[in-house]
Amino acid sequence: GAGVSQSPSNKVTEKGKDVELRCDPISGHTALYWYRQSLGQGLEFLIYFQGNSAPDKSGLPSDRFSAERTGGSVSTLTIQRTQQEDSAVYLCASSFTGTGEQYFGPGTRLTVT
Amino acid sequence: DQQVKQNSPSLSVQEGRISILNCDYTNSMFDYFLWYKKYPAEGPTFLISISSIKDKNEDGRFTVFLNKSAKHLSLHIVPSQPGDSAVYFCAAKESGYALNFGKGTSLLVTP
Repeated sequence: GAGVSQSPSNKVTEKGKDVELRCDPISGHTALYWYRQSLGQGLEFLIYFQGNSAPDKSGLPSDRFSAERTGGSVSTLTIQRTQQEDSAVYLCASSFTGTGEQYFGPGTRLTVT
Repeated sequence: DQQVKQNSPSLSVQEGRISILNCDYTNSMFDYFLWYKKYPAEGPTFLISISSIKDKNEDGRFTVFLNKSAKHLSLHIVPSQPGDSAVYFCAAKESGYALNFGKGTSLLVTP
């Protein structure tokens, strides 16, 4: 399939540990986005990449969160010293351009115990 | 601060009837609106969109209406089918890229 893929699909971690979430966007899509959905909430924007640069990191909730994108393709979202409030589904999306329709991956469900 | 609001968490409709999902927004700078559909354990799937210069957009059984003065949009599905049962998210953006989502409305279409 040529859709957005994310790994792992589920991650359970202990409070205080670091986690890395991976996103493989659709080939040729220059824009990549990270969102998260906490229980009972809508999707919350975290960060946007155009190519390898992140012109908008305004949604990252704290400095424990960081993301990078390499080769204009794969992106990794890293959460350091995880807290229980970080538990959520983390969704990645990509689009052909920065303003185009966004295609979402299936998400990574993160549970911090 | 929730800029996009879906005040009905759930909706149940009989197969063949019309489903109407509502969405309100507070940011008058939003100029593009979208509806996404989400099944369990899957990411949201784009359904239909509308630009702020229009008041209606139709795609098959799906029609989105935009009332800018009321800052309100709605998604009409007619006729509703059991396969339409899913969570529907309303989203909006300013002339940029980050989507602002509502909390979703869970639609159940019963046979």
